[in-house]
Amino acid sequence: GAVVSQHPSWVICKSGTSVKIECRSLDFQATTMFWYRQFPKQSLMLMATSNEGSKATYEQGVEKDKFLINHASLTLSTLTVTSAHPEDSSFYICSARDRQRGEGTDTQYFGPGTRLTVL
Amino acid sequence: GENVEQHPSTLSVQEGDSAVIKCTYSDSASNYFPWYKQELGKRPQLIIDIRSNVGEKKDQRIAVTLNKTAKHFSLHITETQPEDSAVYFCAASTAHTGRRALTFGSGTRLQVQP
Repeated sequence: GAVVSQHPSWVICKSGTSVKIECRSLDFQATTMFWYRQFPKQSLMLMATSNEGSKATYEQGVEKDKFLINHASLTLSTLTVTSAHPEDSSFYICSARDRQRGEGTDTQYFGPGTRLTVL
Repeated sequence: GENVEQHPSTLSVQEGDSAVIKCTYSDSASNYFPWYKQELGKRPQLIIDIRSNVGEKKDQRIAVTLNKTAKHFSLHITETQPEDSAVYFCAASTAHTGRRALTFGSGTRLQVQP
């Protein structure tokens, strides 16, 4: 149980275009999903917290108008990188918390990640 | 906000030896400390976690210790094997913001020499 999927697994796009990444919890409902970015040989940096039915909470320094997050259902959150530039090239990983385990649960289940390359 | 520091950044051990990775955290309200193993290009995999009401937890060759007073926690891997080679991340989570987001350490690249 507790499987999180991401789509696509990798994407190459031209500078200036927008890219949408989907994060799905396959066998559980996720009230909260998190989006991380990981540059090569670096740690995971939290970008934003996505809450079902409400606005996302962005970390300091993350532009909310550039990284659009939508959490329309308990099993799906999307991250759209708008007007992507080469410096946005990174590994984007989502994670989800299991709603059924209650708000006290801490365990996050990670998706497989999406490698974005902007030319 | 929370700040997690992790040492060492790289660690090379001989197969069969033990490996220890240490982390410190800054927010005394943090109460959940997971450890993740990440292989190149893959998702982080939870290998063990500990909550602040526990001082030590063990799962076969892996153990984690927590010192709340000093605000540090450590990962211990015994009888290391080549397949243990990966990058290991510690993390800390606090409930006081309501979000329970994880703050990650900078990672330790473990190389187990056969």
